[in-house]
Amino acid sequence: GQQVMQIPQYQHVQEGEDFTTYCNSSTTLSNIQWYKQRPGGHPVFLIQLVKSGEVKKQKRLTFQFGEAKKNSSLHITATQTTDVGTYFCADSNTGNQFYFGTGTSLTVIP
Amino acid sequence: EAQVTQNPRYLITVTGKKLTVTCSQNMNHEYMSWYRQDPGLGLRQIYYSMNVEVTDKGDVPEGYKVSRKEKRNFPLILESPSPNQTSLYFCASSFGRTNSPLHFGNGTRLTVT
Repeated sequence: GQQVMQIPQYQHVQEGEDFTTYCNSSTTLSNIQWYKQRPGGHPVFLIQLVKSGEVKKQKRLTFQFGEAKKNSSLHITATQTTDVGTYFCADSNTGNQFYFGTGTSLTVIP
Repeated sequence: EAQVTQNPRYLITVTGKKLTVTCSQNMNHEYMSWYRQDPGLGLRQIYYSMNVEVTDKGDVPEGYKVSRKEKRNFPLILESPSPNQTSLYFCASSFGRTNSPLHFGNGTRLTVT
């Protein structure tokens, strides 16, 4: 099946530092969704990107879709302890299947 | 409250003993799906359903069955569980097709010994 690679797998940052996770696909993505899963919790939808080159912001979070629609990134400015969790990207193809990235686990050190 | 409800939250069973994990949503969503989450592999789709009586295989359907007899329910059935099906399972639903965000249940942690 389709593979969506996500890097890094783990990231430890000091509180206040920035954080970025990258999502890459060998094929063109239909659209990209981002989810956050708190430790012990379930994935929660953050945002969806549809257009090539699209950039969306949610407070300290910036989401970007690549021009070729083969990659995406999530950048968090000045991390806080509330940002702890695993961040997943997901591609849904026209056949209604969802392909999730492997996730990036973020630890924020106070 | 709009939600996706999965039961049970935790389940320990033995190889070969049939089990069912239930999933119910109260949002009148057409689309429902099942995922398993394993360390380093992210979330992998097992089965999905576009509507009542319409189901299709995801990426890892082997060893699983589903049914969609009612719009709100989408049970996951393991006819003969094996240890490699030990995992964290999530049910999710959404309004429609690929552009709708998924709403996840709280998960079911299954251990097969």
